[in-house]
Amino acid sequence: GEDVEQSLFLSVREGDSSVINCTYTDSSSTYLYWYKQEPGAGLQLLTYIFSNMDMKQDQRLTVLLNKKDKHLSLRIADTQTGDSAIYFCAESPPYNTDKLIFGTGTRLQVFP
Amino acid sequence: DVKVTQSSRYLVKRTGEKVFLECVQDMDHENMFWYRQDPGLGLRLIYFSYDVKMKEKGDIPEGYSVSREKKERFSLILESASTNQTSMYLCASSFGSGGAQDTGELFFGEGSRLTVL
Repeated sequence: GEDVEQSLFLSVREGDSSVINCTYTDSSSTYLYWYKQEPGAGLQLLTYIFSNMDMKQDQRLTVLLNKKDKHLSLRIADTQTGDSAIYFCAESPPYNTDKLIFGTGTRLQVFP
Repeated sequence: DVKVTQSSRYLVKRTGEKVFLECVQDMDHENMFWYRQDPGLGLRLIYFSYDVKMKEKGDIPEGYSVSREKKERFSLILESASTNQTSMYLCASSFGSGGAQDTGELFFGEGSRLTVL
């Protein structure tokens, strides 16, 4: 079956780094995404990485892609309370690039 | 900025009622989607549409139908609501067409939380 897997919860102390992991299904997926959902809101794209890249950095965010293991991670440096949210990874499969497949979401809780 | 607007943030309906969830996008996107979000299950695709009057079933279409009469509007219909359809419903849109600006990114509305009693 098609399952994008994530752990459900992550708790970190303010100022520490957070690492959210995801295992996706298809090593030929074109794009891989990280979305953020704040309480009571829809999802917003945080960042994405094209499949021919290994790493992408954007300010406090670092995305690492291991295509061999079909593993995607999102590292948030200097995590703040405003980073508390649900984080979804998603893949764009090659057979239908318009239909993203989402993971279950990881709820990140940041405590002082 | 892309704006995807869902008509109702919160609805409470009774079992057997017909429910309409409306979604409008203002970026001339070709693709529109309806997802439901449940704790521990992530987002599951109900239906999507890649053009006016075109629709395709997603992973969980049972109990739902959709309508896309105009490019900017995509409606989700529950013909006879049931308690197991209590959920958060998310509408999204994307560029489509595989053009240069099409990274597959989905733009989401804020969600409609439906409770069926």
